[in-house]
Amino acid sequence: GAGVSQSPSNKVTEKGKDVELRCDPISGHTALYWYRQSLGQGLEFLIYFQGNSAPDKSGLPSDRFSAERTGGSVSTLTIQRTQQEDSAVYLCASSLTMGVTSGNEKLFFGSGTQLSVL
Amino acid sequence: GNSVTQMEGPVTLSEEAFLTINCTYTATGYPSLFWYVQYPGEGLQLLLKATKADDKGSNKGFEATYRKETTSFHLEKGSVQVSDSAVYFCALTYSSASKIIFGSGTRLSIRP
Repeated sequence: GAGVSQSPSNKVTEKGKDVELRCDPISGHTALYWYRQSLGQGLEFLIYFQGNSAPDKSGLPSDRFSAERTGGSVSTLTIQRTQQEDSAVYLCASSLTMGVTSGNEKLFFGSGTQLSVL
Repeated sequence: GNSVTQMEGPVTLSEEAFLTINCTYTATGYPSLFWYVQYPGEGLQLLLKATKADDKGSNKGFEATYRKETTSFHLEKGSVQVSDSAVYFCALTYSSASKIIFGSGTRLSIRP
């Protein structure tokens, strides 16, 4: 597609329920990132994919959080047994390769999924 | 560890005012530095970048100079417009990293 697409744009769920958030990166981008933006906080790194593998998942806050990527394209972030502190905007970004670490590339962000846990 | 600290907002200015948003960083080695901007209802997008000391990044009238001696990358614009109202994020990455590290963001509001 033309840009990074995330769905749903808004999700309201009850505490204890599981949620799945989806990210469609730009076609051909091999690197994919998930970040979390909480109210008044910066962007918190969650996980990085290169192709279908996740060489850096150091930012996942707990074992309730998991993510996968299939076909080197779509990624799903799953939060099990949601808690109120999980409420945030979940952002997905992609880049063409891993060149972002050299500063030679930029991240393209989606508009995010606003998750509200009641 | 590696981190980015930027001035807290919100920052409210009148149109045509001079803008500075401060950003300092802590990093080992020689990071690349970025400013990203998030306009209302849109995703973050790269505004400008600098990959080595003394480089100046510029775009849309905004500038930032990579100052290694003060570990800073302050964002400036000489004359802001209402359309510049957004949230601005300072960020860094480095050669051994697999991610970009972002600051907490500064909300800028420009009144006509």
